[in-house]
Amino acid sequence: AQSVSQHNHHVILSEAASLELGCNYSYGGTVNLFWYVQYPGQHLQLLLKYFSGDPLVKGIKGFEAEFIKSKFSFNLRKPSVQWSDTAEYFCAVRQGGSEKLVFGKGTKLTVNP
Amino acid sequence: DAMVIQNPRYQVTQFGKPVTLSCSQTLNHNVMYWYQQKSSQAPKLLFHYYDKDFNNEADTPDNFQSRRPNTSFCFLDIRSPGLGDAAMYLCATSNRRGGLNTEAFFGQGTRLTVV
Repeated sequence: AQSVSQHNHHVILSEAASLELGCNYSYGGTVNLFWYVQYPGQHLQLLLKYFSGDPLVKGIKGFEAEFIKSKFSFNLRKPSVQWSDTAEYFCAVRQGGSEKLVFGKGTKLTVNP
Repeated sequence: DAMVIQNPRYQVTQFGKPVTLSCSQTLNHNVMYWYQQKSSQAPKLLFHYYDKDFNNEADTPDNFQSRRPNTSFCFLDIRSPGLGDAAMYLCATSNRRGGLNTEAFFGQGTRLTVV
C-alpha cells in the first residue's frame, strides 16, 4: 500500500535558521506531491505542489521543495524561517490519475523569536 | 470567502447515538473526501466520492457511512459512535477532469467528542 513518511515529528528552530523537512513515499509510479500547512486553529492550506516539469517547486511564503524521483523524496525547504512559520506541516502524495490523497504524519515546527 | 464549509465546528454526541457531520462546497468540484484526524496523527482517508461514485477505503469501519445528494453537499454518518471515534473530521474537495486532478481544498474540520 502507498505510504508517506515524514522523518521529523517536532522541529524547533530559532528565527532566521534554515529549514529542511523530509518526506519519502513508497509508490513507484507517477505521483502528484503536495505540502500542506496547518497553522494553529486553522484548516489545512496548500503550501506547494508538484505535478510534472521542473523538480524544484516554489510555493508561498518563501517555501520550496525538490522532487528527487530516484530517492522517492519531496523535501521541503526554507532558507530563513520566521516566527509566523510555526505550524504543522504535512506531506501528501497522490497516484497520478487517481483521486486518493495519502498524508504523512506531519511535522510540528516551532520557531522561537 | 470559505469554499469548503463544515458544520458544525464542534459536535458532542453520546456513545452509541447516531451523528451526522455535513460539508458543503462552492467550488463545483467533482471529488469530495472525508478524512479522520486524531491527535498527533496523519489525516486518514475514510472514503471519497468521484461524482456519484463512492469509494470506500478497505479499513474504514462499517460504522461510518456517507451520502452525497448533489455536487455541493456531502455527509458523514456515524451510526453508533464509540469513544475511539472522537477525532477531527476533515472534508476536502478536488476537481478531476480526464487524467488531471487539482490539489485538495480543505474545510475547517468538525471536532467530534463522544461522551
